[in-house]
Amino acid sequence: NAGVTQTPKFQVLKTGQSMTLQCAQDMNHNSMYWYRQDPGMGLRLIYYSASEGTTDKGEVPNGYNVSRLNKREFSLRLESAAPSQTSVYFCASSADWRSPLHFGNGTRLTVT
Amino acid sequence: DQQVKQNSPSLSVQEGRISILNCDYTNSMFDYFLWYKKYPAEGPTFLISISSIKDKNEDGRFTVFLNKSAKHLSLHIVPSQPGDSAVYFCAASENNNDMRFGAGTRLTVKP
Repeated sequence: NAGVTQTPKFQVLKTGQSMTLQCAQDMNHNSMYWYRQDPGMGLRLIYYSASEGTTDKGEVPNGYNVSRLNKREFSLRLESAAPSQTSVYFCASSADWRSPLHFGNGTRLTVT
Repeated sequence: DQQVKQNSPSLSVQEGRISILNCDYTNSMFDYFLWYKKYPAEGPTFLISISSIKDKNEDGRFTVFLNKSAKHLSLHIVPSQPGDSAVYFCAASENNNDMRFGAGTRLTVKP
């Protein structure tokens, strides 16, 4: 079982460049999430999608956009990357809001 | 403003002894609490959860205790094993999908 798959695993961007992080889950989960992990800050929620067709801001949404393409896929877009967005990004999914999250293995992004 | 706090960045225990990881929260509306474990270069994996209607939940070697009046929860691992060495995250949510995490505690279990 693949679970939650994130691509790419690593990415280096220059300031001002754009990119999209891809995430797909094969567990038929309704809810999907994007988190970023920074040293000393833990995991901070960027955006989530409670169900197909809906998206909501989390704790740190500025500088990001998301698209819930279908039930399986939830992408995160950086329109104009900044060094402050250097982080490890995790996608997750859950059956519903009361269920534990299943995480992908992360995307390590460096913005120079 | 971090609503979930893990004030100990690291903890070291001897194999076979008890590990106690602590977590505090500030949002009194949180009613669902979880612990996740994370190994390097992997995503966090779910360990154990507890809802606010309980004060204890047990799963094998892992027990989570919730003290709502103190806004405090803890994870007990007994007995600790070297394979338990990882970063442990505490998480909490209200009755929605907005799940907040603490900064994590790195547990090292020495053989």
